[in-house]
Amino acid sequence: QKEVEQNSGPLSVPEGAIASLNCTYSDRGSQSFFWYRQYSGKSPELIMSIYSNGDKEDGRFTAQLNKASQYVSLLIRDSQPSDSATYLCAVNVPAAGNKLTFGGGTRVLVKP
Amino acid sequence: EPEVTQTPSHQVTQMGQEVILRCVPISNHLYFYWYRQILGQKVEFLVSFYNNEISEKSEIFDDQFSVERPDGSNFTLKIRSTKLEDSAMYFCASSDGRSPPYEQYFGPGTRLTVT
Repeated sequence: QKEVEQNSGPLSVPEGAIASLNCTYSDRGSQSFFWYRQYSGKSPELIMSIYSNGDKEDGRFTAQLNKASQYVSLLIRDSQPSDSATYLCAVNVPAAGNKLTFGGGTRVLVKP
Repeated sequence: EPEVTQTPSHQVTQMGQEVILRCVPISNHLYFYWYRQILGQKVEFLVSFYNNEISEKSEIFDDQFSVERPDGSNFTLKIRSTKLEDSAMYFCASSDGRSPPYEQYFGPGTRLTVT
């Protein structure tokens, strides 16, 4: 069974601080990696995708990928109360129609 | 900003009934997906669809389920003979699939409640 693992949290961070989220995956055939934000009762919202080893920055978000270690992370800089949500790590499986396999999510709480 | 839409937002049905969940993917996308999320659990892949046929399906997607693209815009998930354990949020997603990373965009979901 191919797995995507995340710490469930909650990860509590003060407003303005950096939130650091981690994810590991087991399928070495995974090609692309995604971070989705999910507010309670809502659908996953894509915030970052990463395909190559290294860092990718988009506004306050930075995704980091290390395929050798099968590890992907997300940094949220200058965290805001509106960032309080569950962050889902997902990996695609090209050999299976590019289906996404999701982790269980990390709940982030940003305290004013 | 193009987006995936889904109807209805909430569907209540009795056990044993059939339901059809509808999705309108982003217009230039070619790959379509259904996922579900039981309350408090992970998002689970159900099925992927490309070029008018299923490209991949999970163990969950048995004979109770079917998908269809009845016209150029809609993508439907039919669940026959619903069971209590089918109660979940059902999400449709679409992707243009042209090049990596093959980003998938999710619709707002349909909450299915089976009583």
